Amino acid sequence: GNSVTQMEGPVTLSEEAFLTINCTYTATGYPSLFWYVQYPGEGLQLLLKATKADDKGSNKGFEATYRKETTSFHLEKGSVQVSDSAVYFCALSEGAGGTSYGKLTFGQGTILTVHP
Amino acid sequence: NAGVTQTPKFQVLKTGQSMTLQCAQDMNHNSMYWYRQDPGMGLRLIYYSASEGTTDKGEVPNGYNVSRLNKREFSLRLESAAPSQTSVYFCASSGSGVRGTEAFFGQGTRLTVV
Repeated sequence: GNSVTQMEGPVTLSEEAFLTINCTYTATGYPSLFWYVQYPGEGLQLLLKATKADDKGSNKGFEATYRKETTSFHLEKGSVQVSDSAVYFCALSEGAGGTSYGKLTFGQGTILTVHP
Repeated sequence: NAGVTQTPKFQVLKTGQSMTLQCAQDMNHNSMYWYRQDPGMGLRLIYYSASEGTTDKGEVPNGYNVSRLNKREFSLRLESAAPSQTSVYFCASSGSGVRGTEAFFGQGTRLTVV
């Protein structure tokens, strides 16, 4: 079956530090890949996505590149802010269209805390 | 924009009690989903409804039932709550069709079973 593995957390950084959160996956076929973010007390929000190999998703200074050869989708940001403190989830779905964007397999989540 | 609305936000149940979690979306999405979130395990799919009138099991359906009441509403029922069902429950919806759209999540229901 499908699975997603994220780096162990929590991650604590100082403001303006470089962020990497590793994500690797196991899937049959050609999955779509996502990063979701959950701010305290809120639901999940889509941060970025990539639907095919070598695609780069980007949003709010965050980037992730779909690497089929290494089955990875690592999240990066060059300079984090206190407001980036949240839980980050890597996820995948199979196929395209239909329920594919909602039937998600999630990683365990990585807690990020950014200090001033 | 309301998006996906869940009720209640918090609930405490005694073992064996029943309850229904409500979810409604106003984005005209065809597909709706129920997930549970447990520490260290991410979110896991309980049930989903690809379109009005259909429901299917996800990864962890045991102990739950669902009803797709209409296109907007998708409820999750616990017939006899157990402590193992203590969790945060999220409802989500997504557009379907050839391209599909991203999933939008509600704010969650924190359920404690004592």
